Amino acid sequence: EPEVTQTPSHQVTQMGQEVILRCVPISNHLYFYWYRQILGQKVEFLVSFYNNEISEKSEIFDDQFSVERPDGSNFTLKIRSTKLEDSAMYFCASSERTESQPQHFGDGTRLSIL
Amino acid sequence: QKEVEQNSGPLSVPEGAIASLNCTYSDRGSQSFFWYRQYSGKSPELIMFIYSNGDKEDGRFTAQLNKASQYVSLLIRDSQPSDSATYLCAVPNQAGTALIFGKGTTLSVSS
Repeated sequence: EPEVTQTPSHQVTQMGQEVILRCVPISNHLYFYWYRQILGQKVEFLVSFYNNEISEKSEIFDDQFSVERPDGSNFTLKIRSTKLEDSAMYFCASSERTESQPQHFGDGTRLSIL
Repeated sequence: QKEVEQNSGPLSVPEGAIASLNCTYSDRGSQSFFWYRQYSGKSPELIMFIYSNGDKEDGRFTAQLNKASQYVSLLIRDSQPSDSATYLCAVPNQAGTALIFGKGTTLSVSS
């Protein structure tokens, strides 16, 4: 069964550094998303992406964050100048034809900021 | 802002019993509803989705939707220890561009 793949599975970074989290969505899916989950808290939406542009972003997704689809398969989340509170699990998801279709999640990247 | 509410639990049931998980939502206009299972330290895994009032069955899982009362529930029949996880209810935002998740209900199935 097709799946969303994310790399790396764990990223440890010094505060203030930039990180890039990578995702390969399911190949025939057109909508892509990033979510995060701070330990012990609920899954929070960051951003959705369709047709090479952001379709929605949450209050969390400030100027520190950016997304990109650099080629036909990868979807990346960049966090500039990381802060301690950016430590969380980051999940990439994708869905098929419309945005209200079921979203399928990758295994996540655990980001630890020291 | 849409809200999704779930009882955090833990909900404890013996093996073989029916587990009933409930979710209420604030936006009467919501059209689609999703249940995800999340094992500790893992990602959400889609297990059911429902769009219409009534019941939808898939194996041991049944999703029930009552739009008039604004709740959606998940029944797990013949519960197994492997069903022990946190179950997340999710509803699309108004534009359909994001999922809003509840905090999840932790289910513990004892053998």
